[in-house]
Amino acid sequence: DTGVSQDPRHKITKRGQNVTFRCDPISEHNRLYWYRQTLGQGPEFLTYFQNEAQLEKSRLLSDRFSAERPKGSFSTLEIQRTEQGDSAMYLCASSPGTSGGGGTQYFGPGTRLTVL
Amino acid sequence: AQKITQTQPGMFVQEKEAVTLDCTYDTSDPSYGLFWYKQPSSGEMIFLIYQGSYDQQNATEGRYSLNFQKARKSANLVISASQLGDSAMYFCAMREGFSGYSTLTFGKGTMLLVSP
Repeated sequence: DTGVSQDPRHKITKRGQNVTFRCDPISEHNRLYWYRQTLGQGPEFLTYFQNEAQLEKSRLLSDRFSAERPKGSFSTLEIQRTEQGDSAMYLCASSPGTSGGGGTQYFGPGTRLTVL
Repeated sequence: AQKITQTQPGMFVQEKEAVTLDCTYDTSDPSYGLFWYKQPSSGEMIFLIYQGSYDQQNATEGRYSLNFQKARKSANLVISASQLGDSAMYFCAMREGFSGYSTLTFGKGTMLLVSP
């Protein structure tokens, strides 16, 4: 049983460039979440998909951010015109569509973004 | 107001000793779930244990147990017989409402260091 995978693991970019991250959830999970974690803080919710539908976006998700899950499987998170404040760890998580286990979310290894 | 409060920025424990990591929460929703995650220096969030608000007994998973005191709104993690590999950041998180919608709110974490 493979876990959640994310690619790339690390990304260094210059301010103003666009970046895209990919997340592959656990295969039977229909819910997928994106979180952002800055240094010394816990993860903060960005957005959430059930199958291909994006059901909620946090106010943290400015219009420079866009997320997709086109076929209800993998998801991408794109940041346009990156700013230094976007430097963070971007975490993806997935959970099954049932209520068993309280909807436990399983996280991937994260993508660490550094904006120079 | 903070929804999840972890008052211990850091904790030290000797190998083989037990340690308690504190977590208090704030919600008016009668249905909620409480989670603990471990984050080693590699960055991945590892699920440890879950407690539902209606669960009558404290959750246990191997060396981990959750001391759930509903009236005090606390959900402390107890690690018995600490191991060197337990050194990591530990995050308490809460899901409000039914697990059909399960965005997590995290605390700021506690860094645990286990010494030989």
